[in-house]
Amino acid sequence: DAGVIQSPRHEVTEMGQEVTLRCKPISGHNSLFWYRQTMMRGLELLIYFNNNVPIDDSGMPEDRFSAKMPNASFSTLKIQPSEPRDSAVYFCASSPTGQGLTEAFFGQGTRLTVV
Amino acid sequence: KNEVEQSPQNLTAQEGEFITINCSYSVGISALHWLQQHPGGGIVSLFMLSSGKKKHGRLIATINIQEKHSSLHITASHPRDSAVYICAVLVGNQFYFGTGTSLTVIP
Repeated sequence: DAGVIQSPRHEVTEMGQEVTLRCKPISGHNSLFWYRQTMMRGLELLIYFNNNVPIDDSGMPEDRFSAKMPNASFSTLKIQPSEPRDSAVYFCASSPTGQGLTEAFFGQGTRLTVV
Repeated sequence: KNEVEQSPQNLTAQEGEFITINCSYSVGISALHWLQQHPGGGIVSLFMLSSGKKKHGRLIATINIQEKHSSLHITASHPRDSAVYICAVLVGNQFYFGTGTSLTVIP
């Protein structure tokens, strides 16, 4: 398996534009997580899905952020409208059986810069 | 107040040294993860612990639930171990992350 695949690896966009980050989890994994990493706040969990259903989105910073998982092999994190403070590295991770029960496998991240 | 505290924040070691990174937390947890982030930014999950001790190669992770403390040990450290090591605890459905320990191993 190729591991967790995120795209794009880098994204530069202007303030106010819509940004969509994509993630393909490892085949067979039931849980998927979106994280954000910044210098100021470190690593934060934004949302996680179990069997394609959002379980906890309390980490999503505000209504400008939304995440979907239409099927077991694909998830998106959308920011609309984007703001400079959204600049961060966004990581996607997947896990075989649930977040507390086993190790998670991380993608390489998407570095987002909003100017 | 940060629920997860790591120490030290920065650590420089000579190749071959035994390294210990500590993580203390203030709440009841169901699991603790150790993550490694390489200079290029990629994150690797090293261990998930709920009790006791785990070993993988030169890495050893221990957890003491009563003392709310975990340690990550690296034996015979190598320059390729240079990375940021992050402790994360699972409390209910919430993850809380430490700020990381930046390790540099000098040849």
